[in-house]
Amino acid sequence: GAVVSQHPSRVICKSGTSVKIECRSLDFQATTMFWYRQFPKKSLMLMATSNEGSKATYEQGVEKDKFLINHASLTLSTLTVTSAHPEDSSFYICSGLAGGGYNEQFFGPGTRLTVL
Amino acid sequence: TQLLEQSPQFLSIQEGENLTVYCNSSSVFSSLQWYRQEPGEGPVLLVTVVTGGEVKKLKRLTFQFGDARKDSSLHITAAQPGDTGLYLCAGARNTGKLIFGQGTTLQVKP
Repeated sequence: GAVVSQHPSRVICKSGTSVKIECRSLDFQATTMFWYRQFPKKSLMLMATSNEGSKATYEQGVEKDKFLINHASLTLSTLTVTSAHPEDSSFYICSGLAGGGYNEQFFGPGTRLTVL
Repeated sequence: TQLLEQSPQFLSIQEGENLTVYCNSSSVFSSLQWYRQEPGEGPVLLVTVVTGGEVKKLKRLTFQFGDARKDSSLHITAAQPGDTGLYLCAGARNTGKLIFGQGTTLQVKP
């Protein structure tokens, strides 16, 4: 399957700081990437759809000014958590939409964010 | 509104037992994907089913897509401790978005 990387894998930051998470498709071009949030032992919750060269589309209830998404190239999307607070602590996962017509998504390994 | 109901959500069985996980929806999907996720890692795609009535096998795992493309099942034969993990079904929309089920946490005891 296609490979997606995320960086960093873990980050600990102080409340009020901003954190950037990178998502890269390594062996395919992803015009569309997705960002998810996952709570312990729960399913994935879609936050936003990231489209290369255009603005991201956010799901209902997700603050676009809080979670800034940039998709500057066909292989890179970034999620910036601005002015992070402890309630933003979570496991963030990105995925890239592969071509082929089956709408298969390939996921990164996730980023564990802890806000103190 | 949860559009894809996955059950059971928790399952603890002994090694060697069989199990089935179900995903049901009132919506039709263009395809349905099954993922397995281990703690601290991202989901890994196991299989994609596309055609109504399709059956796919992956070693001891059997995946079935309903005739109407609204439901799917995952059957594991002779479960092993290595099968332990979170299993996720996800229905694909034509937009590319995935609708995820609630997930099934499977524990296989030796």
